[in-house]
Amino acid sequence: DAGITQSPRHKVTETGTPVTLRCHQTENHRYMYWYRQDPGHGLRLIHYSYGVKDTDKGEVSDGYSVSRSKTEDFLLTLESATSSQTSVYFCAISESGEGYGYTFGSGTRLTVV
Amino acid sequence: EDKVVQSPLSLVVHEGDTVTLNCSYEVTNFRSLLWYKQEKKAPTFLFMLTSSGIEKKSGRLSSILDKKELFSILNITATQTGDSAIYLCAVDSGGGADGLTFGKGTHLIIQP
Repeated sequence: DAGITQSPRHKVTETGTPVTLRCHQTENHRYMYWYRQDPGHGLRLIHYSYGVKDTDKGEVSDGYSVSRSKTEDFLLTLESATSSQTSVYFCAISESGEGYGYTFGSGTRLTVV
Repeated sequence: EDKVVQSPLSLVVHEGDTVTLNCSYEVTNFRSLLWYKQEKKAPTFLFMLTSSGIEKKSGRLSSILDKKELFSILNITATQTGDSAIYLCAVDSGGGADGLTFGKGTHLIIQP
């Protein structure tokens, strides 16, 4: 979807290194989310944001931090990557915070070796 | 803790068959239930259901919600190979701003 882009699309990193994933939107939506998707677990919420500098933890937030210094960008940082953080990461945006309004990015495939 | 359970987890059928995918949920609050289709990349929205017994339809796909029994079904009739995907069920438990709770998904494969 042209209104939301994630970067990088793929990344391989070593255990113990910091990694930052970027989600950029052009829709001026208030709400932004980071999910991870793993086989056997479905999509799980990591962190979310309900405005600039307003963020909160989701179900699986340990080992992750986020920042949102402007409306269009939501950054996810793995402070010290571990193999258990190998996953596909999806960003989503929503204008209203209600489920039907979610638009997902194309995902970032992260491999921690 | 909110929970969404989908069944079956995987399903292989032949083109032209009809399939029924199931989603049950236990949540503290309920605002809506959503179905998404995920092919190789991002999930795409199919339906949102908020009221019991109302069927939502889009072409060969339809879905219904039973709020009393806490489940939903997604039906696909006259399946085509392009229907092959992972189908995700999610519940918005009223705090929509703090995300959806997803099931593990049903991996549907349509064989020609």
